[in-house]
Amino acid sequence: DVKVTQSSRYLVKRTGEKVFLECVQDMDHENMFWYRQDPGLGLRLIYFSYDVKMKEKGDIPEGYSVSREKKERFSLILESASTNQTSMYLCASSSLAGGRNEQFFGPGTRLTVL
Amino acid sequence: LAKTTQPISMDSYEGQEVNITCSHNNIATNDYITWYQQFPSQGPRFIIQGYKTKVTNEVASLFIPADRKSSTLSLPRVSLSDTAVYYCLVGEPDKLIFGTGTRLQVFP
Repeated sequence: DVKVTQSSRYLVKRTGEKVFLECVQDMDHENMFWYRQDPGLGLRLIYFSYDVKMKEKGDIPEGYSVSREKKERFSLILESASTNQTSMYLCASSSLAGGRNEQFFGPGTRLTVL
Repeated sequence: LAKTTQPISMDSYEGQEVNITCSHNNIATNDYITWYQQFPSQGPRFIIQGYKTKVTNEVASLFIPADRKSSTLSLPRVSLSDTAVYYCLVGEPDKLIFGTGTRLQVFP
């Protein structure tokens, strides 16, 4: 089974801190994604990556950056955390091998910025 | 990217069939239609995907009319454990747009 793990389930940070959210997948997937989920807004795509060292902006990239130095790892960085970045963050990975469009999600990180 | 519209919420009772319809009027030729399920405090989980006509797997069926401007997810004989949010997504395989989903509540 595909496994996507995220470094923390719950995280509390202070305004202005630099925050790193780590995501690791074990199925050699090419594609990785970061979403945030807020009540009433569904999932919104922050950044995605098709390959190592490649990144593409999603719908809401402002205030975030990403890093993909290895194929299995995709990091989301909050350069200077703000209270409006309090949210649930979900990482996902996928592969087009076999032609099926399926993203596998991690359990999520609930980030609170005070 | 095609935008989807689906009901905000639906209620059902155990044992009933539930049909959730999604509208996607500007679907593109290369777009697939994919449905995900999400339980509280978990990431979404793939349910079913289709391009046209009907697709069926062990948990659901997906009906897509010829014009592909809508699709219907059918859940046969729902149980309490089917209470979740269901997302309809339309797009090319490497980028999906999640909407707000349909919150399905199943009552005993």
